[in-house]
Amino acid sequence: ETAVFQTPNYHVTQVGNEVSFNCKQTLGHDTMYWYKQDSKKLLKIMFSYNNKQLIVNETVPRRFSPQSSDKAHLNLRIKSVEPEDSAVYLCASSFGQEVFFGKGTRLTVV
Amino acid sequence: GQQVQQSPASLVLQEGENAELQCNFSTSLNSMQWFYQRPGGSLVSLFYNPSGTKQSGRLTSTTVIKERRSSLHISSSQTTDSGTYLCAMGASSGSWQLIFGSGTQLTVMP
Repeated sequence: ETAVFQTPNYHVTQVGNEVSFNCKQTLGHDTMYWYKQDSKKLLKIMFSYNNKQLIVNETVPRRFSPQSSDKAHLNLRIKSVEPEDSAVYLCASSFGQEVFFGKGTRLTVV
Repeated sequence: GQQVQQSPASLVLQEGENAELQCNFSTSLNSMQWFYQRPGGSLVSLFYNPSGTKQSGRLTSTTVIKERRSSLHISSSQTTDSGTYLCAMGASSGSWQLIFGSGTQLTVMP
C-alpha cells in the first residue's frame, strides 16, 4: 500500500523550462529522499532531508533543488531542464534504516 | 568500483520454475533491502533483511553478513513475477542512503 505520494506521474517539457515535482509521505518518517533512475534503471541518490538538514549528492547539478515545507513534504525543482534530465525521479522516506518509495515521476525532456 | 553487484543481469524462466537472484556487497553491511519494480516505475519493498532469512509467500530472502551477500529465491514462478528486482545496501555517509545494484530483469514465460 502506497504511503509515499508523488505527483505528477509523467511530465513532458522542453529544454530550458522549469519543472517541479511534489512528494508527500504519510508514514510519519523523519527523513525524505530523492533518487534518480536513469535509462539503464540504475538508481542513485540525489538528496536526503532530515530535521531541516539537507545532504546533497555532490554529483547533482545546481539546477536541481529540493524544497520542504515540513517533514512530510519534499518537492524537487529543476530550474532549467536539460536533455540528460530525462529519467524517473523517485521520492522516498525512512525512519531508521528501512526505506519506502513512491511510484515515481517520469520526466521526458524534448 | 561498484559497491553492489547483482546477478544475473537478466533471467528467463518458464512458469513454475524457481529463481535465485544474488547480491554481493563490497563493504560491510549495515542493512539491505530487496525491491521489485513493476514495468512503469513503481518500486515496491519486498524485504528489509539486514541479516538472516525472511520469507513471504513464494519469496525467501537470505542475508549472510560475514560473506557480504544476500539472495532472493522465488519459488514456483508466475508470469506476474516478471519485472526488475533490485537489491540495495544501506550506507551512512553524512546521511542514511541506499546504494543500489543494477538489477535483475526477470521474465517468466507462460
